Amino acid sequence: QKEVEQNSGPLSVPEGAIASLNCTYSDQGSQSFFWYRQYSGKSPELIMFIYSNGDKEDGRFTAQLNKASQYVSLLIRDSQPSDSATYLCAVNTGGYNKLIFGAGTRLAVHP
Amino acid sequence: GAVVSQHPSRVICKSGTSVKIECRSLDFQATTMFWYRQFPKQSLMLMATSNEGSKATYEQGVEKDKFLINHASLTLSTLTVTSAHPEDSSFYICSASRTEQFFGPGTRLTVL
Repeated sequence: QKEVEQNSGPLSVPEGAIASLNCTYSDQGSQSFFWYRQYSGKSPELIMFIYSNGDKEDGRFTAQLNKASQYVSLLIRDSQPSDSATYLCAVNTGGYNKLIFGAGTRLAVHP
Repeated sequence: GAVVSQHPSRVICKSGTSVKIECRSLDFQATTMFWYRQFPKQSLMLMATSNEGSKATYEQGVEKDKFLINHASLTLSTLTVTSAHPEDSSFYICSASRTEQFFGPGTRLTVL
């Protein structure tokens, strides 16, 4: 069974620090990887996607992919209290852009 | 771009009634839409994959006769929860797929 694993947290970081969120996946054939942010009571919001090994940066966010290790991470620089949310890692398993989601990591940024 | 709407945002119904939820992609055509369910403090659970003009593909354990999905156009998919019971109370979220999945705001269903 294809799986996506995340530490449930909570991950607590001080304001201004770097938050590092990690995710591993079991399907070696996975080709694309996504990070979503979900505030309590709201639906997920796409933050970043990454297809190739290495780093991809967008503003304060950096996604990192290592297909050999089946590992993807999200770094949030200069963390803000508004970044406090659950971060969902999702992996595309193939047809129709179907995604397998991890259980999410809850991030708490304290002032 | 990539805006997905859902209607209604919240619905309360009596046990045994049916509820229809609409999902629309407002600014792009989505050949594939997905329906998820999320219980409190749990992750998203995929219920079904809906392709325009064809029958939906349901995940294991999801009753296709209870959760009716129609994807009549490239911008609209509907989920009907038939004969709803209190255990069906949940947060139902659709997504529409371009190269990425974009989520609707969700529908909170409460069955009394």
